[in-house]
Amino acid sequence: SQTIHQWPATLVQPVGSPLSLECTVEGTSNPNLYWYRQAAGRGLQLLFYSVGIGQISSEVPQNLSASRPQDRQFILSSKKLLLSDSGFYLCAWSFFPWNTEAFFGQGTRLTVV
Amino acid sequence: GQQVMQIPQYQHVQEGEDFTTYCNSSTTLSNIQWYKQRPGGHPVFLIQLVKSGEVKKQKRLTFQFGEAKKNSSLHITATQTTDVGTYFCAGPEGAQKLVFGQGTRLTINP
Repeated sequence: SQTIHQWPATLVQPVGSPLSLECTVEGTSNPNLYWYRQAAGRGLQLLFYSVGIGQISSEVPQNLSASRPQDRQFILSSKKLLLSDSGFYLCAWSFFPWNTEAFFGQGTRLTVV
Repeated sequence: GQQVMQIPQYQHVQEGEDFTTYCNSSTTLSNIQWYKQRPGGHPVFLIQLVKSGEVKKQKRLTFQFGEAKKNSSLHITATQTTDVGTYFCAGPEGAQKLVFGQGTRLTINP
């Protein structure tokens, strides 16, 4: 069976510090991978998606970047965090194409102080 | 790009009352998916609808997909405290993206 791991679960970082969130998927190959952000009490905003190693599509201009160094590894990064980067970050995967369900990681709650 | 609108944004009900959330897409969808996110948790897949006019039931939950495949609804009969959470609809945009609605947050007074 497939599993998705996302860490850390919570993170408190000062403004201007770097960020690295990691997500890995097990039990499948060549998944579609996604990073979503959820502000408190709000909906899911798609940040990045990837259909293969090294292939990253950005949905919104922002202070963040994503990388996919391996087939089942997806990393969300920032060189300098802003207060507005606070939120709940969710990694997800699906089979290609989007005709089946998406599987979400447990999420990382990031607070920038 | 495709937009998925969901209403209402919030809904508070007494336990035992019914609840409905509505989802509308700016484009025709190949399928629509529904997810539930418990407070503090992550979204969990509930169901997928594919056919025009399709109706599916899961115990007290009834899901409908509109004839034009641009709208959908989720109806919960006789809500229970375990139904608390945020309900999201989502529709594919192309083959690579899943666009979520803003969600309906359901709270229940026991």
